[in-house]
Amino acid sequence: DTEVTQTPKHLVMGMTNKKSLKCEQHMGHRAMYWYKQKAKKPPELMFVYSYEKLSINESVPSRFSPECPNSSLLNLHLHALQPEDSALYLCASSQDLSSRERYRENEKLFFGSGTQLSVL
Amino acid sequence: QKEVEQDPGPLSVPEGAIVSLNCTYSNSAFQYFMWYRQYSRKGPELLMYTYSSGNKEDGRFTAQVDKSSKYISLFIRDSQPSDSATYLCARPGFQKLVFGTGTRLLVSP
Repeated sequence: DTEVTQTPKHLVMGMTNKKSLKCEQHMGHRAMYWYKQKAKKPPELMFVYSYEKLSINESVPSRFSPECPNSSLLNLHLHALQPEDSALYLCASSQDLSSRERYRENEKLFFGSGTQLSVL
Repeated sequence: QKEVEQDPGPLSVPEGAIVSLNCTYSNSAFQYFMWYRQYSRKGPELLMYTYSSGNKEDGRFTAQVDKSSKYISLFIRDSQPSDSATYLCARPGFQKLVFGTGTRLLVSP
């Protein structure tokens, strides 16, 4: 099984709502990521978890709150979002974290299909 | 200057054409590069990765790095309508991937 599963596929929420995005992988990967992708733009990293601990927060606003309950699951809790937060939210996993120095096969990222989020 | 840059396209070609997709990069210290393919409403998937300079071939796909000009290329032979997607070049950063802007490819039957 080489899948990263994200739910829901689509989400529409108001600016006062609280919602959560979910991501699951069963490949035994120990690194998990949240990326945000606006239309016609490349994915931008938001958070990285390594061994269930937050490793990177790319200065993401606090209205986005990540959670890694166990090595297979990654959540993104959303609260008081703005319309400009509308985007495709991608979850990814890799066996290990990438190194600036070299690329290794176990650093290959597997992406889910994403959650298309619309904030009204 | 962005670390990795691509022409956003779209690049439109007829079926069977040879496609050339290109990226430029800014830092000569970068050694590894990847090509990801992203279909509409899907996450990116890794196509190929290359190291330093030279060519790497996988089926209809060839990846090429020219260190002297800081140029990365992906060639697709005998292009198919199923190759229609956005192609992103990327390099590994510390604990993350750094993507180029992506080039949208349209292959018409």
